[in-house]
Amino acid sequence: DAGVIQSPRHEVTEMGQEVTLRCKPISGHDYLFWYRQTMMQGLELLVYFNNKAVMDDSGMPKDRFSAKMPNASFSTLKIQPSEPRDSAVYFCASSAEGQITSYEQYFGPGTRLTVT
Amino acid sequence: DQQVKQNSPSLSVQEGRISILNCDYTNSMFDYFLWYKKYPAEGPTFLISISSIKDKNEDGRFTVFLNKSAKHLSLHIVPSQPGDSAVYFCAASGNTGKLIFGQGTTLQVKP
Repeated sequence: DAGVIQSPRHEVTEMGQEVTLRCKPISGHDYLFWYRQTMMQGLELLVYFNNKAVMDDSGMPKDRFSAKMPNASFSTLKIQPSEPRDSAVYFCASSAEGQITSYEQYFGPGTRLTVT
Repeated sequence: DQQVKQNSPSLSVQEGRISILNCDYTNSMFDYFLWYKKYPAEGPTFLISISSIKDKNEDGRFTVFLNKSAKHLSLHIVPSQPGDSAVYFCAASGNTGKLIFGQGTTLQVKP
């Protein structure tokens, strides 16, 4: 069974450009999370969905970031315009409704974003 | 405001000895705690968890201890093995499904 799939694995872009990160959660999982890993903050939760609806996006800078989940098997995180401070590793994770009581989340391999 | 803190960025231990990783939290509403392990170029993977109704949970070489009065938890690895070398994140949740992660501790186990 495939795990969480993220693409691209690496992205290098220039400041001001639009960046789109993609995620395919594990089939049957109802929750999808987007995190950003930085040295200073560890793993920061940006946004999460339950059954395709945004539950909490308080960690996401809304002036430049947007997240969508058009169907149960696909989500995007878009940054427009990108800035050097957005350079980080972005992880997508998913979990199943029944597992939410144990809060165990399954992570993808991450997308390393570099904004020059 | 860091609600979950791992104050030691790194830890180095000898193979066969005990590794103790620490984590502190500030929110008394947290009722579930987890440890994740992360290798380079991979996503974090779930290791072990503990509910706030318990003070200890053991799984093979890994044991998590919870001290609610001190708002402190620790992960013990005995005996430590070189393959345990990784970044360890502690995380906490308050019944929302949302996890708050610490900054991580890099463990190096020397052969």
